[in-house]
Amino acid sequence: NAGVTQTPKFQVLKTGQSMTLQCAQDMNHNSMYWYRQDPGMGLRLIYYSASEGTTDKGEVPNGYNVSRLNKREFSLRLESAAPSQTSVYFCASSGGGGDTQYFGPGTRLTVL
Amino acid sequence: AQSVSQHNHHVILSEAASLELGCNYSYGGTVNLFWYVQYPGQHLQLLLKYFSGDPLVKGIKGFEAEFIKSKFSFNLRKPSVQWSDTAEYFCADSAYSGAGSYQLTFGKGTKLSVIP
Repeated sequence: NAGVTQTPKFQVLKTGQSMTLQCAQDMNHNSMYWYRQDPGMGLRLIYYSASEGTTDKGEVPNGYNVSRLNKREFSLRLESAAPSQTSVYFCASSGGGGDTQYFGPGTRLTVL
Repeated sequence: AQSVSQHNHHVILSEAASLELGCNYSYGGTVNLFWYVQYPGQHLQLLLKYFSGDPLVKGIKGFEAEFIKSKFSFNLRKPSVQWSDTAEYFCADSAYSGAGSYQLTFGKGTKLSVIP
């Protein structure tokens, strides 16, 4: 069981470039989430998917899009990266019902 | 909107000292409370959780937390810390957000530094 996996681990972009962060889970979880972590801010929810076929905005969705490709995979896309999107991005999954979320190893993104 | 407050930004302790990290949550009906730990350079891992029942919850690595409903608190404790407990600790509350989905709201985190 790999749990939650994320690719890439590190990425450097120039302002205006686009990229997609990939996330996959092998725990047969219904719900998946994308967070960003910034120093002193804790984790803030960007988007989530309660179940396959649904996505909803979280606290800080501006500048991002998501796709729930299937039950296992949930990707996060930056269409036109900005320096303010420099952060560490974590994907998580849960069985739903407010239960424990399990986190991936994170992607450290720097936008120059 | 749900909110979670952690009182201490950075705590420095010597090995064998006792630890208590404060966490307060805003009222939101049913509570699902969590403590996560993030070791340097790693992802978040669950320490313990409280959904209902015994308000004193025991987690991994000797950690425990007490849910006090009247104070809206869920403080994390450990009787004797070790250098390996150096990490950042996050309190979180899960709340129903409609259409069958739940959202976790995190506190801003407390960095714990344990001096050998």
